[in-house]
Amino acid sequence: GENVEQHPSTLSVQEGDSAVIKCTYSDSASNYFPWYKQELGKGPQLIIDIRSNVGEKKDQRIAVTLNKTAKHFSLHITETQPEDSAVYFCAAISTGTASKLTFGTGTRLQVTL
Amino acid sequence: GAVVSQHPSWVICKSGTSVKIECRSLDFQATTMFWYRQFPKQSLMLMATSNEGSKATYEQGVEKDKFLINHASLTLSTLTVTSAHPEDSSFYICSAPDRATSYTFGSGTRLTVV
Repeated sequence: GENVEQHPSTLSVQEGDSAVIKCTYSDSASNYFPWYKQELGKGPQLIIDIRSNVGEKKDQRIAVTLNKTAKHFSLHITETQPEDSAVYFCAAISTGTASKLTFGTGTRLQVTL
Repeated sequence: GAVVSQHPSWVICKSGTSVKIECRSLDFQATTMFWYRQFPKQSLMLMATSNEGSKATYEQGVEKDKFLINHASLTLSTLTVTSAHPEDSSFYICSAPDRATSYTFGSGTRLTVV
């Protein structure tokens, strides 16, 4: 099945700086890669996603890039703000497993003042 | 946007009792619901997939007799933790695909078994 690795596990940046989180996946059949933000005690919230026919997608301060050849995708947050502090999960869907999302291990982002 | 309403948000129960968690899709039909468990500082682990009108599919290592899943309608799926024990204490989250490959998550249920 699909295996998703995520790095780093923790990330601390100063307010205004950029944050980058990277994920790799194993199943070349995966074609949908969402990113979720999870605040303490809450369910994950979709913040951006990318499909395999696109190399990059941007939504205001958030962008995601996908390299299908290398099987990795990254989340970029620019001009970070304290409210960006949360745990971020990448995920991938392996079409060979009935559309089950496989999650990365998560990155705890801390934006300091 | 699509909303999955999950209740209760937290529950404390005595060891040996059963707890039911409900997830409702509010503005779309959820023929499939995924149930996850998340331990502190860990990722979401898929427990089972429920399909409306048919038996749920459980992941390897998940006891189907302990975690009863019912998906009786296109908008409601329930997870019942039977004979709960302290090791079942966790954060349980449901998720449903709201269109082709976009997934909406519930707000989660914090279960504490004492």
